[in-house]
Amino acid sequence: GQNIDQPTEMTATEGAIVQINCTYQTSGFNGLFWYQQHAGEAPTFLSYNVLDGLEEKGRFSSFLSRSKGYSYLLLKELQMKDSASYLCAVMDSNYQLIWGAGTKLIIKP
Amino acid sequence: SQTIHQWPATLVQPVGSPLSLECTVEGTSNPNLYWYRQAAGRGLQLLFYSVGIGQISSEVPQNLSASRPQDRQFILSSKKLLLSDSGFYLCAWSVLSGNEKLFFGSGTQLSVL
Repeated sequence: GQNIDQPTEMTATEGAIVQINCTYQTSGFNGLFWYQQHAGEAPTFLSYNVLDGLEEKGRFSSFLSRSKGYSYLLLKELQMKDSASYLCAVMDSNYQLIWGAGTKLIIKP
Repeated sequence: SQTIHQWPATLVQPVGSPLSLECTVEGTSNPNLYWYRQAAGRGLQLLFYSVGIGQISSEVPQNLSASRPQDRQFILSSKKLLLSDSGFYLCAWSVLSGNEKLFFGSGTQLSVL
């Protein structure tokens, strides 16, 4: 079966750095997405990786290793507004998105 | 610019009652349209997707149905709601290609009592 694993919850301090991991087992691979979702709101797109390596976008970076079935989202200089759930999703060989359950990130002052 | 509208934001319905959730997209043509359900502690579950008017693919057998009467309108319906239909429903769209990102509507929190 197809599976996406990410931690249920993480806690970090304002101003620090946090890394949210995602491992996947899917039928084929056509890219990996990270979305941010604040409580009660819709997910919003953060990043897309299809080749191995690191993609940097301001305070957020996303890394992919296709051989290991692994990705991480790195958030730097954490702000209180970064408190949200972070969803990992993989597009399989049929271009269907398989979603992880999300990681709830709690930022403490 | 493209926008997606989804309503209502919250809905409380008794078991056995009908359901109609509506989603419209503006500023784009021929979008792929999606209905997802999000249960607490679980990943987004794809319910239906559509690549064109009248073309609906169902991913999960259930008592829900979807229709696309116009290019930019997507409707989720049920004739008789079950308790298990409670959840956060999200409409989304993407451009008509394989690996594009999704743009989500603001969601509908449905509580079936």
